[in-house]
Amino acid sequence: DTGVSQDPRHKITKRGQNVTFRCDPISEHNRLYWYRQTLGQGPEFLTYFQNEAQLEKSRLLSDRFSAERPKGSFSTLEIQRTEQGDSAMYLCASSSGAVETQYFGPGTRLLVL
Amino acid sequence: GEDVEQSLFLSVREGDSSVINCTYTDSSSTYLYWYKQEPGAGLQLLTYIFSNMDMKQDQRLTVLLNKKDKHLSLRIADTQTGDSAIYFCAGANYSSASKIIFGSGTRLSIRP
Repeated sequence: DTGVSQDPRHKITKRGQNVTFRCDPISEHNRLYWYRQTLGQGPEFLTYFQNEAQLEKSRLLSDRFSAERPKGSFSTLEIQRTEQGDSAMYLCASSSGAVETQYFGPGTRLLVL
Repeated sequence: GEDVEQSLFLSVREGDSSVINCTYTDSSSTYLYWYKQEPGAGLQLLTYIFSNMDMKQDQRLTVLLNKKDKHLSLRIADTQTGDSAIYFCAGANYSSASKIIFGSGTRLSIRP
């Protein structure tokens, strides 16, 4: 078991560009979560999948954000027309659902210039 | 909704015990967690406690829960330099257990 992995670990982009992040959960974990963490704050929930179904979305997830988990395994988070306020660490977590313990990946740090 | 509050900083001497405190607002929180985050890294789940428990001990870690006061604490015995990190208190409600609400974190620094 290699844990939750995320790619890339770092991304620098110019304002207005689109970016896509990938998360690979712990194998056999059917639940996958995305969080955003800004400097000096705790993570904030963005969205949640059970298998391939997106079951909950935060109001933080504006229409520029879209997340998918097409085969119930890895997930992607896309941000369109990035803004400087999108600069943050994007964290992915997964859980088996038997006990609600979420295991986090190392995160993707996004910097929008 | 849930709100979780923690003090921002704690400094302890190496070898002493560290106690990190947290208060939460949602009395229906079913799960309460402590996560550790080292610089530039993701979050590591340290321990969790169910709301029907008062205490949980795991090696050097002791979690105490006071449901009446909505107060959670994490005690780290014999604090080591490797314990330097940010510690996040977090809670989740069983009916919405998809969403964990985190505090802002307590930065623990160890002095020699």
